[in-house]
Order: sequence, then structure tokens, then C-alpha cells
Amino acid sequence: AQSVSQHNHHVILSEAASLELGCNYSYGGTVNLFWYVQYPGQHLQLLLKYFSGDPLVKGIKGFEAEFIKSKFSFNLRKPSVQWSDTAEYFCAVNGGDSNYQLIWGAGTKLIIKP
Amino acid sequence: NAGVTQTPKFQVLKTGQSMTLQCAQDMNHNSMYWYRQDPGMGLRLIYYSASEGTTDKGEVPNGYNVSRLNKREFSLRLESAAPSQTSVYFCASSEFKGDSSGNTIYFGEGSWLTVV
Repeated sequence: AQSVSQHNHHVILSEAASLELGCNYSYGGTVNLFWYVQYPGQHLQLLLKYFSGDPLVKGIKGFEAEFIKSKFSFNLRKPSVQWSDTAEYFCAVNGGDSNYQLIWGAGTKLIIKP
Repeated sequence: NAGVTQTPKFQVLKTGQSMTLQCAQDMNHNSMYWYRQDPGMGLRLIYYSASEGTTDKGEVPNGYNVSRLNKREFSLRLESAAPSQTSVYFCASSEFKGDSSGNTIYFGEGSWLTVV
């Protein structure tokens, strides 16, 4: 069965620091990869997604993620975070036997200190 | 265009009571989902409906039932609520199943359920 691992459950950064949130998945076939964000008190929103093509994907609000197939990773990055990036970030994968169902990571809570 | 709408937003139940969470989407999506979100566990799929007229169990279906009333609506029922069902419930929808690029999932705003 597929699984998704997000290594950091809590991350605390100062404004303007660089961000990288790790995401690894366990399936070896073709996958679709997603990052969702949940701001405090709000529902989940799509941040970015990868289906095919350029493995470096750019999303909203300056976020990007790089798909590295050999490492089964899809890490989320942002060069300079803002206080408004405080949120919980979820990595998700679908592919193979879960086809259209998403397999979710446990989430990473990001707190940005002003 | 409201997207995915779910009700109620907040509910407190006593153990053993029943209730139904309602969900509707106006994006003409084929697939609909119910997830629960618990701290440190991410989202777990309870039930899904790949298309109108079909429903299937997800990862954590026990204690729940669903109805795909029509293409727009997908309800989740707790027949006899238990404290372990205290959670935040999200309804979601996507255009169609498969590995196509259209398979982004859109979420409702969540329903906070407490069972005492």
C-alpha cells in the first residue's frame, strides 16, 4: 500500500527565512503529487500539483516543489516566508492502486514568527 | 459558484445520537468524498463516491454510512455517535477519477463535530 511521509510535524521560522518541507512517498509507479495548505480556521486549498513534465512546479504565493523520482520525494520550498504563511501543509499522492484517491501525509504545522 | 458546501459547521452530539452531515457541490464533479481530519493524522478517507449511484468504503468507514443522493449531493450519516468520532469532517469533490490532470480535489469548509 502507498504511504506518504512528512518528516516534520512542526516547523517554526522567522519571517524572511527560507522554507523546505519534506514529503516522501512509497509508490514506485506513475504518481500525481499535490501540496495542500490549510490556513487557520479555513478549509484545505490546493497550493500546487505535479502530473507530468517539468519536475519543478510553481504554485501560488511563491511556493514551489520539486519532484525527484529517484528519491520518491516532492519537497515544498519557499525562498522567503511571511507571517501569513502560518498554516498547516499537507502533501498528498495518488497513483497505482489508489488511482483517484489521494493518500495524505500527516501534515506539517508551520508557524512564522513576525 | 459556491464550490463545495457542507452543513452544519458545528455540532455537539451525545453518545448514541445520530446525525447527518450534508454536502453539495456545484461544479458538476463526478466524484465526491468524505474525510475526517484528526491532529497528527492528516486526512483519512471515510467513504467516497466515484460517480452518481456508486459509493465505496475508504480507509475508516466503520460507524458511518453515506448516500449519494444525486450528482450534486453526498451525505454522511453517523447512526450512533461515539466519542471516537469527534473530529473535523471535510467533504470534497473532484471532476473525475483516473490519473488525468483534472483530478484536483476541492474541499468544503469543514464540519466540527464533538461527541460527548
